Order: sequence, then structure tokens, then C-alpha cells
Amino acid sequence: KAGVTQTPRYLIKTRGQQVTLSCSPISGHRSVSWYQQTPGQGLQFLFEYFSETQRNKGNFPGRFSGRQFSNSRSEMNVSTLELGDSALYLCASSLNEDGYTFGSGTRLTVV
Amino acid sequence: QQQVKQSPQSLIVQKGGISIINCAYENTAFDYFPWYQQFPGKGPALLIAIRPDVSEKKEGRFTISFNKSAKQFSLHIMDSQPGDSATYFCAATLGGYQKVTFGTGTKLQVIP
Repeated sequence: KAGVTQTPRYLIKTRGQQVTLSCSPISGHRSVSWYQQTPGQGLQFLFEYFSETQRNKGNFPGRFSGRQFSNSRSEMNVSTLELGDSALYLCASSLNEDGYTFGSGTRLTVV
Repeated sequence: QQQVKQSPQSLIVQKGGISIINCAYENTAFDYFPWYQQFPGKGPALLIAIRPDVSEKKEGRFTISFNKSAKQFSLHIMDSQPGDSATYFCAATLGGYQKVTFGTGTKLQVIP
């Protein structure tokens, strides 16, 4: 079966711009989470959605937002990009309490 | 209180040897402890997981040892192979599929 699909794989944006990343979870998975991975901070939780509702939110500024659609697909948006937002953004989906399946991520570079 | 501390940061093991990675947590409410393996250019992949009512879980060459009283758990990779060379993350979560708190990662290199 298809895994978690993230698009695009790579993205280069300029400071001040905004960006939208997309995630298609595994079919049937209703929980979708987003993580930011950087060499300095490691894997940090952004937010988690279940049935279109945000259930959990990490400690990121309001410039980071997300949403989930009725088909469980999710998007995250970062507005007013800063150089420090350069990272690998990972989406993960889950069916039950047995953990996440991660996508390969979107590599965002802010210049 | 949400931290998960992981050590060592990097590890070099000879082929056939045992790789051991250690983690410690603070929040006693955590109830699910997965380990993830990440190769360059890929997202983390769930390797093995344990719940606190079990002291050990083995899957093939991978074993988790869990010490609830010490709030520590570790991953043992037996007969380590060059293909095991990757970054390993321990993690802890409340309720399995909710917010996951990751350790800082261990870069494992298995040399022939």
C-alpha cells in the first residue's frame, strides 16, 4: 500500500515569503502530525490533526499553521519565512496507538 | 519534564558486534516508547516499540530493555551489520499516536 506522500520534496523560498507543504497520509489513517527536523534542534513536534481538528500543538510561533481536510490530507503553512525556518519538514500518519509512519519529508531552504 | 535524553551522540561498532543506545525520560505519564531508524534523505521509520508494563521486547536482532523504576530504556542491536548504519531516535509519547517527544538521535556506523 502507498506510504505517506509529501510534496514537494524540495523547496527554495526567500525570506518574507510564505510556503504551503502538502501531506497525503496512508489510506485510512485519520491522525496526521507534522515535525520539523534540523541538525541543531532535532525532531520537534509542530501539530497533530485528527478528523480535521487540531488536537495537539507544539511550541512554534503562530507563523506556523496547518489544517486537515475531510479526506485526511493535510497542509502546513509557514508565513513570513525566516532563515531559521530552513529544515526538513516531516509528516506522519497513524491509524492507532502503534506509532507513526513518516513520509520522506519536504526539504525547505530559505534564502 | 517532557525531555527524552539520548546517548551516545555517535557510535562506531564493528560488524558482528553489539550496538547499545540509551535513553532516559522524566515524565512518568509516557506510556509508549518507540525507536525510529532514519537513513539519509528518508523520514524516520518505526523499528520497534515497547510499553512500560513490559521489561524487554525482542524483534529479530533488535531488543528494547525497559527499566520503569529508573525511567530508562535502551536499544540493543545484536550482530550489527553495515546496513544498520543510520541515525536512531528513541521517543516517548502519551497515548501512542499523539505528540511524540524524540531523543536527540544517535548516529551509528557499523564498520566491516
